[in-house]
Formats: sequence, structure tokens, C-alpha cells
Amino acid sequence: QVRLLESGPGLVKPSETLSLTCSVSGASVSSYYWSWIRQPPGKGLEWIGYIYYSGSTNYNPSLKSRVTISVDTSKNQFSLKLSSVTAADTAMYYCARASSYGTKPFDYWGQGTLVTVSS
Amino acid sequence: DIQMTQSPSSLSASVGDRVTITCRASQSINSYLNWYQQNPGAAPKLLIYAASTLQSGVPSRFSGSGSGTDFTLTISSLQPEDFATYYCQQSYSTVTFGQGTRLEIK
Repeated sequence: QVRLLESGPGLVKPSETLSLTCSVSGASVSSYYWSWIRQPPGKGLEWIGYIYYSGSTNYNPSLKSRVTISVDTSKNQFSLKLSSVTAADTAMYYCARASSYGTKPFDYWGQGTLVTVSS
Repeated sequence: DIQMTQSPSSLSASVGDRVTITCRASQSINSYLNWYQQNPGAAPKLLIYAASTLQSGVPSRFSGSGSGTDFTLTISSLQPEDFATYYCQQSYSTVTFGQGTRLEIK
């Protein structure tokens, strides 16, 4: 059974860097694409970006200047860093696996972690 | 960027009804279209990928169709557990989601 679990601070101050980690079990991060997706309270889904185990990345153009996604194959984890956060970055953050074939659907998701940006 | 527009934004229906949700892309995305269901407080769940392929374990009352710019998700006979929010998502060029369709009980 593939499981993903997000972890990280639930509260981040404005202008600081949001850092989250996704721990994966039941699958190896040395396969597939691994992604971060967020959802502001009461709103829709926004893709942040994904990483392939080789280290190649693809980011949402609207967030690209502030986002870094990395992978640690030794720990079977991948991580998100989002810099210079504002209140607009308050959201539920999900990590997800995307199949490496075809339309790359997000077939496994973490439960999500709520991050609030506030002083 | 490719924009995805779902219609309607919300929909009221009854158990047993047949419902259709539409998703339109701002340019052709071939069949690079996936559908998700999200219940309140839960992560989204993959229903259909490549426009019409049912994900393993998803009931056969769900179906998808379309290619190019116009796509539909159909639920043939609504069940109580189907009242949720549905999202389309394109992966032809990076990734974008539709704004969601909230399906409510009439």
C-alpha cells in the first residue's frame, strides 16, 4: 500500500520560507514523479510543481521564482521550499505521486497539512 | 498557460439521477485529462485518467469522454457517497486544474 505523509510547521511568518517534507512508504521515490499541490481554504486545487527521481523538476510558472522541490532517495522523501511567503500562501498542502506514463495522473495523495502564514 | 473551465460550478441532484459535468480546455490537450473527486476534509481521489480510463476500484457508474478541448464526466446513477466536489486536470502542458464542480443533494 502506497502511503504519503506530509510534515512541517503549521505556522510560518510572512516573508519567511515554508518548508515541508513528504515521507513515502510502499513505493520508491526512485520511480514516478512526485508533486506538491495546494488548496487555499474553501478554494480549488493549485499545482505547485513536481520532481522526478533524477532530480529534474517542473514548476508552476506563477510560483517558479519562489519554489524549490528536492528529493532524498536515501530517506525515500521529497521536500518543498516556498520562499517569501504571504497570507496568500495559506493553504492545505498535499504531496502526491504522479504516474510516469501517459497523462501522469495523481494516483496517490497524502492527507494534507495545513500551513498558515501569519505573524 | 492552459486554462481549464468547468461547468456548472455547482449542481443539485437527487440519488439515482444521471449527471454530467463538463470541462473545457483553452487549447487542445488531446486526451491529457484526468478527473478527481474530493470529499470535505479529504484529499482528492483519482477517478478517471486519459479522459476515459477508469482508475482501479472506481465504480463503473463513473465514465469520462472527450478529446481535444471538450470533456465530460458522467455519473450514471448518483449514490449518496457521490455528493462531493469534482475537478478536472490537464497534464498536456505542465499541470492545471479546473475550478471545481460542487455536487449537492437536492
